[in-house]
Amino acid sequence: GDSVTQKQGQVTLSEDDFLFINCTYSTTTYPTLLWYVQYLGQGPQLLLKVTTANNKGISRGFEATYDKGTTSFHLQKASVQESDSAVYFCALVVSGSFNKLTFGAGTRLAVCP
Amino acid sequence: EAAVTQSPRNKVAVTGGKVTLSCNQTNNHNNMYWYRQDTGHGLRLIHYSYGAGSTEKGDIPDGYKASRPSQENFSLILELATPSQTSVYFCASGGTGKAPLFGEGTRLSVL
Repeated sequence: GDSVTQKQGQVTLSEDDFLFINCTYSTTTYPTLLWYVQYLGQGPQLLLKVTTANNKGISRGFEATYDKGTTSFHLQKASVQESDSAVYFCALVVSGSFNKLTFGAGTRLAVCP
Repeated sequence: EAAVTQSPRNKVAVTGGKVTLSCNQTNNHNNMYWYRQDTGHGLRLIHYSYGAGSTEKGDIPDGYKASRPSQENFSLILELATPSQTSVYFCASGGTGKAPLFGEGTRLSVL
């Protein structure tokens, strides 16, 4: 079945630091790759979506890229702020699956002022 | 505004008791989902539905049932709750080609 591996459980940065979170995936079909962000006490909300056609997505200062050769996708931000503190999930969805998501384990980002 | 509303937001249940978690969406989405979130596991799919009257098993359906009586409503039912079902449960809805939209979650404790 489909799977997503997100190994960075916790990341602690200072404001204006560079953020990079990596996920790898396994699927037999062409996936759409997503990043969700979850703030404390809330449900996950979509941050970015990357398809195999466009390879890149940008939103709110975050950039998501995808590497088909290594079956990996990344989330990065040049300069994080304290307000970016949250849990970030990578996920994949395959076409024809009723948009069911397969999630990574999540990365908890703490940004210190 | 697109919305997914879950109730209750918090629930304490006794082992062996019946628990029903409710979800309502106003997005006119065909697909609805129930996930549970546990540390180290991300979110895992329990049941999903592609329309009124349909329910399908997700990746971890054991111990759970689901009901989709209408386009707007999707319930998750624990007939005999166990402490291992203590978790945070999220409902989501999604349309064709649209990433699922999540509710705020229900925190369930089974004692």
